[in-house]
Amino acid sequence: VQLVESGGGLVKPGGSLRLSCAASGFSFDSYNMNWVRQAPGKGLQWVSSIIGRTSYTYYRESVRGRFTISRDSAKNVLYLEMNSLTAEDTAIYYCARDSDISQHPAYNWFDPWGQGTLVTVSS
Amino acid sequence: SYVLTQPASVSVAPGMTARITCGGDNIRTKNVHWYRQKAGLAPGVVIFYDVDRPSGIPERFSGSNSGNRATLTISRVEAGDEADYYCQVWDSANDHWVFGGGTKLTVL
Repeated sequence: VQLVESGGGLVKPGGSLRLSCAASGFSFDSYNMNWVRQAPGKGLQWVSSIIGRTSYTYYRESVRGRFTISRDSAKNVLYLEMNSLTAEDTAIYYCARDSDISQHPAYNWFDPWGQGTLVTVSS
Repeated sequence: SYVLTQPASVSVAPGMTARITCGGDNIRTKNVHWYRQKAGLAPGVVIFYDVDRPSGIPERFSGSNSGNRATLTISRVEAGDEADYYCQVWDSANDHWVFGGGTKLTVL
């Protein structure tokens, strides 16, 4: 099982970026997937989740309407489209799989995690 | 929204027991998961469902959850246990995952 994030980089305030998470070694469309971020020197902050079989989505309030989580089951890739970026979005972004095949998030935890990709929002 | 409160830091001598707490309103009704994050690395689970250990995590790691507090206990602490530890729950009222602020464990 492996998760590999990509797409991070330097972007100006107000700009956009799309992160990708390439998944391998498991039945991708059967699992809930998640994005978690970590600002420099700070703690973990959940960003968004997408449910395996329904593609229902959840977002934290501060990114709702700006970020879009999606998945391409043919390519086994998880995405996070980020718009209207601000300095507060600067962080390492991790993708993480739910621990078990699609069930309600309340019954799972995150395992495994990718290595993360750094997003820096600065002029 | 639901808030999880952890101490910013815990220090313990090698061989002693470290206890890292995670406070939340009636947290006993929730499934609490604990993650360890070593410097420069991604997090990994050490305890799930309050008390369960994944394969590969030593028996020195244990968890409990009652009342308004969940606790991660690390017995016979080793230098290699130095890391940041985070608790996590699902906030069903808001359909959100919530992490605690994290606790830096220092082995003296």
